[in-house]
Amino acid sequence: QVLLQESGPGLVKSSQTLSLTCTISGGSISSGDYYWSWLRQPPGKGLEWIGNIYYSGSSFSSPSLKSRLTISVDTSKNQFSLRLTSVTAADTAVYYCARGGSNYPLDYWGQGTLVSVSS
Amino acid sequence: QSVLTQPPSVSGAPGQKVTISCTGSSSNIGADYAVHWYQQLPGTAPKLLIHANNNRPSGVPDRFSGSTSGTSASLAITGLQAEDEADYYCQSFDSSLRGSVFGGGTKLTVL
Repeated sequence: QVLLQESGPGLVKSSQTLSLTCTISGGSISSGDYYWSWLRQPPGKGLEWIGNIYYSGSSFSSPSLKSRLTISVDTSKNQFSLRLTSVTAADTAVYYCARGGSNYPLDYWGQGTLVSVSS
Repeated sequence: QSVLTQPPSVSGAPGQKVTISCTGSSSNIGADYAVHWYQQLPGTAPKLLIHANNNRPSGVPDRFSGSTSGTSASLAITGLQAEDEADYYCQSFDSSLRGSVFGGGTKLTVL
């Protein structure tokens, strides 16, 4: 059973940087069999793909976030991370990490973590 | 504005059948990229319901089925049960955006 767990601050000030980490258990990010993705869901709204990464470090980002976004992987810790700069209230959302992405299904999800951006 | 278009809501009585549509374009569903469907119960993370157009993961009842045609996809739910009340999302890959795209979600109400 693959488990994913998001971690990071639940409150970020406007204009600052949002950083989250996803820790994987029950599977290895280095297996090379999957993409690993970040997604978010603003309160009361739908799902939005943020980006994904392969174990090699090759990453893909949503065009609307690309200029502010960095996704990285740490195979030694079996983790991948998200860094979003210059946040605004529009970045307030539940952030999810998941296994899969690109043309592949997202078959395992973390429970999600709410990040609020305050002024 | 979502890249994939879903109806905001559908409803049906217990035991009935409902279908949820997902309309895309020539750069995603129409380009034969796989369509996946997710079920999201209130306050929980989405759960994979259908993958690669019409395949059910282990544990998903056969009351759920998917199909595609041209630039559209559909999720059908037969024998509606109260526990099916949830939000449903379609997902595919878009070659223009070079990433995953989602529908805006459909809220299913079991009357």
